[in-house]
Amino acid sequence: GAGVSQTPSNKVTEKGKYVELRCDPISGHTALYWYRQSLGQGPEFLIYFQGTGAADDSGLPNDRFFAVRPEGSVSTLKIQRTERGDSAVYLCASSPTPLAGVVGELFFGEGSRLTVL
Amino acid sequence: QQQVKQSPQSLIVQKGGISIINCAYENTAFDYFPWYQQFPGKGPALLIAIRPDVSEKKEGRFTISFNKSAKQFSLHIMDSQPGDSATYFCAASMDQGGKLIFGQGTELSVKP
Repeated sequence: GAGVSQTPSNKVTEKGKYVELRCDPISGHTALYWYRQSLGQGPEFLIYFQGTGAADDSGLPNDRFFAVRPEGSVSTLKIQRTERGDSAVYLCASSPTPLAGVVGELFFGEGSRLTVL
Repeated sequence: QQQVKQSPQSLIVQKGGISIINCAYENTAFDYFPWYQQFPGKGPALLIAIRPDVSEKKEGRFTISFNKSAKQFSLHIMDSQPGDSATYFCAASMDQGGKLIFGQGTELSVKP
């Protein structure tokens, strides 16, 4: 597709359940980011992949959160033992290979809205 | 020190007026300052960005003013239109992109 695709668009789950959120970046983009956006707040950085490896995972709030990008394209954000406080919109973004160290524009998907009951 | 503080939280402007949104930061290592626009149900989209070696950047009706000594930057929307009604986020990053630290957002409403 032309843009960043995220599935599911909406996910309702019960406290304690396991959730997977998928991100399909723009073709050819080597960098992929996950952000979390709570209601009325700005996006909060979670993790950044360059290729297959996590270049920066300093934003993951705790060990219940994990993300993978095994083939350097699609990424999955995994949340174990979900809590009500995990409810938010999870945004994925991608960007092209940095030129001379400059990352430039991030292209965001429409997000996956997670509601934990 | 990683925070970016944005104001106002909400803004109402008449059509044709000037919308001004302000941001302040603490970390002098930040070297890239973009503004993102977000419509309801959509992801943020880059509007305009500036690097600290210039004091102003203009693209169409959108201008960023950057004050390095004060560690502040602002977005000016000239001739504001109802279609500009959206939430605007300032952001900052080190290493010229990548991990963005976002402000809290400003909900702009342009009245016809």
